[in-house]
Amino acid sequence: ETGVTQSPTHLIKTRGQQVTLRCSSQSGHNTVSWYQQALGQGPQFIFQYYREEENGRGNFPPRFSGLQFPNYSSELNVNALELDDSALYLCASSLEGTGPKGVFFGSGTQLSVL
Amino acid sequence: KQEVTQIPAALSVPEGENLVLNCSFTDSAIYNLQWFRQDPGKGLTSLLLIQSSQREQTSGRLNASLDKSSGRSTLYIAASQPGDSATYLCAVWGALVTFGKGTKLSVIP
Repeated sequence: ETGVTQSPTHLIKTRGQQVTLRCSSQSGHNTVSWYQQALGQGPQFIFQYYREEENGRGNFPPRFSGLQFPNYSSELNVNALELDDSALYLCASSLEGTGPKGVFFGSGTQLSVL
Repeated sequence: KQEVTQIPAALSVPEGENLVLNCSFTDSAIYNLQWFRQDPGKGLTSLLLIQSSQREQTSGRLNASLDKSSGRSTLYIAASQPGDSATYLCAVWGALVTFGKGTKLSVIP
């Protein structure tokens, strides 16, 4: 149990809809990152937030956006859903300065786009 | 652009065997390399982290090595057990983190 919780665990949406995924960081962690993992693939880095600011982004279009709140919890928003957005979305939290040593992953949200 | 390749994609071994999983990467300018375990439909559990200045790390039956110059890392699992069955992912930390596709390990009782 890592202390990083994600909700919901499963979600079904239709193409064109919008979705919000939520992540509660491990206590004391001020950095959160989001990943997309398609079936049979490794996780792909979407973006990272530190102290409510985006401070790193992977190769994802602007319809993928995020927020980090003062309590360091986070949201991932995806607009205009496409079939290829179907994937497991993983959230990871860490304390800035600890590097990957202190990265803890949640169990993910399985998103299906029909 | 960093590319991470894991070989083999899948591996099936009898219980008790020693095994090696391979990870290669194209850009040697990395900070760290990390091995994770992922059970079906679950998140990632960190197994071993190797700093770029280190050559290997050990934890219990697991040993990971890193050769930056050749762009390779190996994860050695000794005396495999059915509970080791999972997908093992290699992640390379540079400016951004890049994951391999993983090796799916099945340990047969």
